[in-house]
Amino acid sequence: SAVISQKPSRDICQRGTSLTIQCQVDSQVTMMFWYRQQPGQSLTLIATANQGSEATYESGFVIDKFPISRPNLTFSTLTVSNMSPEDSSIYLCSVENRRWYGYTFGSGTRLTVV
Amino acid sequence: QKEVEQNSGPLSVPEGAIASLNCTYSDRGSQSFFWYRQYSGKSPELIMSIYSNGDKEDGRFTAQLNKASQYVSLLIRDSQPSDSATYLCAVKNAGNNRKLIWGLGTSLAVNP
Repeated sequence: SAVISQKPSRDICQRGTSLTIQCQVDSQVTMMFWYRQQPGQSLTLIATANQGSEATYESGFVIDKFPISRPNLTFSTLTVSNMSPEDSSIYLCSVENRRWYGYTFGSGTRLTVV
Repeated sequence: QKEVEQNSGPLSVPEGAIASLNCTYSDRGSQSFFWYRQYSGKSPELIMSIYSNGDKEDGRFTAQLNKASQYVSLLIRDSQPSDSATYLCAVKNAGNNRKLIWGLGTSLAVNP
């Protein structure tokens, strides 16, 4: 299965600032998925990122708040912009493994906004 | 609205027993079904996938799918304390966007 390197693993940020999270995959993948997981909750999909096109955002998430880049088939970034304490969460990237149709996750970024 | 439902638990079983986790889904056109395990503070880890009606076994884990009833389950035989985690059911959308619809997860505690 694909191996994903996600960083940073955690960060504490001041409100009003922005944080960019990176995911590097060890193989080429068509689609990358960005999730948010709040404490004790399940996964909420933020957006789907295809290489060479704009990301597709889920209801409740907008590009100005969560801009995504997907410059090639192995890399993507998610930026959390103008952060508030409500953005404190774990952010995860995920890819689909075509070989066996499962989905692999990065190790996650634990964000705390103070 | 497409939904995936799970009992939140906690489900508590003694060590060595069979743990049974259940999941129902609303989109009758769903084609792929996944069970993930998530330890506290860790990212989800795929443990089983199933695509056809019936049972699929992998070691101590058995996934069962019944598309007519829109029901998928996970059985864990000989449960171990290390199986204590949250188990997430995920269903792949029948369309082409390839995204997963997630349940809220069932917390499992295996007691020594």
